[in-house]
Amino acid sequence: DAKTTQPNSMESNEEEPVHLPCNHSTISGTDYIHWYRQLPSQGPEYVIHGLTSNVNNRMASLAIAEDRKSSTLILHRATLRDAAVYYCILRPAGANNLFFGTGTRLTVIP
Amino acid sequence: DVKVTQSSRYLVKRTGEKVFLECVQDMDHENMFWYRQDPGLGLRLIYFSYDVKMKEKGDIPEGYSVSREKKERFSLILESASTNQTSMYLCASSFPTGANYGYTFGSGTRLTVV
Repeated sequence: DAKTTQPNSMESNEEEPVHLPCNHSTISGTDYIHWYRQLPSQGPEYVIHGLTSNVNNRMASLAIAEDRKSSTLILHRATLRDAAVYYCILRPAGANNLFFGTGTRLTVIP
Repeated sequence: DVKVTQSSRYLVKRTGEKVFLECVQDMDHENMFWYRQDPGLGLRLIYFSYDVKMKEKGDIPEGYSVSREKKERFSLILESASTNQTSMYLCASSFPTGANYGYTFGSGTRLTVV
């Protein structure tokens, strides 16, 4: 399974943009890039996913490098509610499993 | 709002007991999954099901079994609970993999085996 590498932790000030990086240098052509987040005492929550093009939704934006070996999850204005562990996951097309790594713990400072 | 509901938030069971963890989804999803989450190990897949009465082993199926008699319900069974099965258990559901939708997770069941 292709692996992702994320920083263990990051901090952001409230109402500032946050850029969460993810490296996936061994990504294959059919791997989708998924992002999930896990709030304290909750199950993971789907955030966004993409294949090649940048993606936007109401929660976040996903910027994918042209060579697809890295991606960045962008939260446009961090709130205290965004404090969570963020997971970057590669999901091969047709795969049933999601392999969660240890993710990035985001702390939002008021 | 779409939901995956796990029957218990916290559970304490004795070693050797048979334990049932129930999960219900209201999204008409074909796929359902059971994960366990442990500090430092992340989420690990125990079993998944892609249709009623169908199941496949995940990465750590030993000591567990599953049942899916109805599309909306997926049960995880610990045949004889042991202390190393103390963990957070998470249920998830999704549309078939070809549709490439995200997973919806429940809030989890924290199981303690004493």
